[in-house]
Amino acid sequence: LAKTTQPISMDSYEGQEVNITCSHNNIATNDYITWYQQFPSQGPRFIIQGYKTKVTNEVASLFIPADRKSSTLSLPRVSLSDTAVYYCLVVSGGGGNKLTFGTGTQLKVEL
Amino acid sequence: GAVVSQHPSWVICKSGTSVKIECRSLDFQATTMFWYRQFPKQSLMLMATSNEGSKATYEQGVEKDKFLINHASLTLSTLTVTSAHPEDSSFYICSTISLPRLADYNEQFFGPGTRLTVL
Repeated sequence: LAKTTQPISMDSYEGQEVNITCSHNNIATNDYITWYQQFPSQGPRFIIQGYKTKVTNEVASLFIPADRKSSTLSLPRVSLSDTAVYYCLVVSGGGGNKLTFGTGTQLKVEL
Repeated sequence: GAVVSQHPSWVICKSGTSVKIECRSLDFQATTMFWYRQFPKQSLMLMATSNEGSKATYEQGVEKDKFLINHASLTLSTLTVTSAHPEDSSFYICSTISLPRLADYNEQFFGPGTRLTVL
């Protein structure tokens, strides 16, 4: 599984857009990029997944350049409730495989 | 999305006792469940993969005799921490994928976690 690298922490203010970048230089052809969110003392929650270009859902957008060696999770207009740890993972396209969590990015949103 | 529950949500026990943690998929069948452990301020670490009707597969460094996993049905997997010690105090989280798949993408559904404190 490709190793991921992301910033340890980020700070933002309510209403701002937050972009968290993750590098995954050794991503394989059939790997997907997946992001999870975790609040304290809770299990992670799936946010978004993509293979290439751009994916958008009601929560976030995921930008993946052509070489797929990095990806950027974009959270539009964050609020205090978006304070959490965000994990970038590379997942094999076969599905059902075990996940390897990296250090994650602690996002702190303030007023 | 799919719902995964864990019981208990927290437990405090004395050193040397055994603790059982249940992980249930409430609205779908789960042939595969995963067990993670998370220490404070750290990331999730996969402990083992639990497959219904067969023995669990443990990650390197995880003692299978200490962390007993049973996946007797398609909706229930249990993790028993045997002879628990203070260093086993951690946040234990299970996850699963659904069968049939609820989504086109490779989403895992996580339980709310169980906080274990060993005195």
